[in-house]
Amino acid sequence: QKEVEQNSGPLSVPEGAIASLNCTYSDRGSQSFFWYRQYSGKSPELIMFIYSNGDKEDGRFTAQLNKASQYVSLLIRDSQPSDSATYLCAVLSNFGNEKLTFGTGTRLTIIP
Amino acid sequence: DAGVTQSPTHLIKTRGQQVTLRCSPISGHKSVSWYQQVLGQGPQFIFQYYEKEERGRGNFPDRFSARQFPNYSSELNVNALLLGDSALYLCASSSAGGNQPQHFGDGTRLSIL
Repeated sequence: QKEVEQNSGPLSVPEGAIASLNCTYSDRGSQSFFWYRQYSGKSPELIMFIYSNGDKEDGRFTAQLNKASQYVSLLIRDSQPSDSATYLCAVLSNFGNEKLTFGTGTRLTIIP
Repeated sequence: DAGVTQSPTHLIKTRGQQVTLRCSPISGHKSVSWYQQVLGQGPQFIFQYYEKEERGRGNFPDRFSARQFPNYSSELNVNALLLGDSALYLCASSSAGGNQPQHFGDGTRLSIL
């Protein structure tokens, strides 16, 4: 079982719709959860982080965390073509160091 | 404010050579982490340094080493390069360790011939 799992996609969503990206993790002791966006040929860019169960909203983005189900998701409202990218879920399990464990990423395509 | 800066941007080496990659963290950030990303995969953790001390090491061979300087900049060294070392090498910094978000530089793309 992979430590962090994401559907690799590609996920195609019409412009203006809601894109839903999902991630599950295996370490029940995981504490912090991050979503990064990565355009082709570029480096990952932090877009959201969440530490507590529930929802966290920032503009068009909402991160959702359910530690009991070991599940974290990212919703993108009013999807724009510029949202087309690979979205990486990352999990921090051990406060003794800052090792982030990443999923393989979900490729999202917004269709105009 | 400047973000995380990495140099060089691109590098081409041959098998058996050695390489040094450099990273300057965001001003005020004391923690630096290194990751390797191969095509189609998420980044893999290599090292983390905080206040010049190694805090974490990923599952990489001893050919990989790193250090952090008093100004919090960092170097990643890879010896005896193999074809499989071809990847994007990413440096990330955070403010205080623990669960603070990490911000990535643009990376160094290393190609081994």
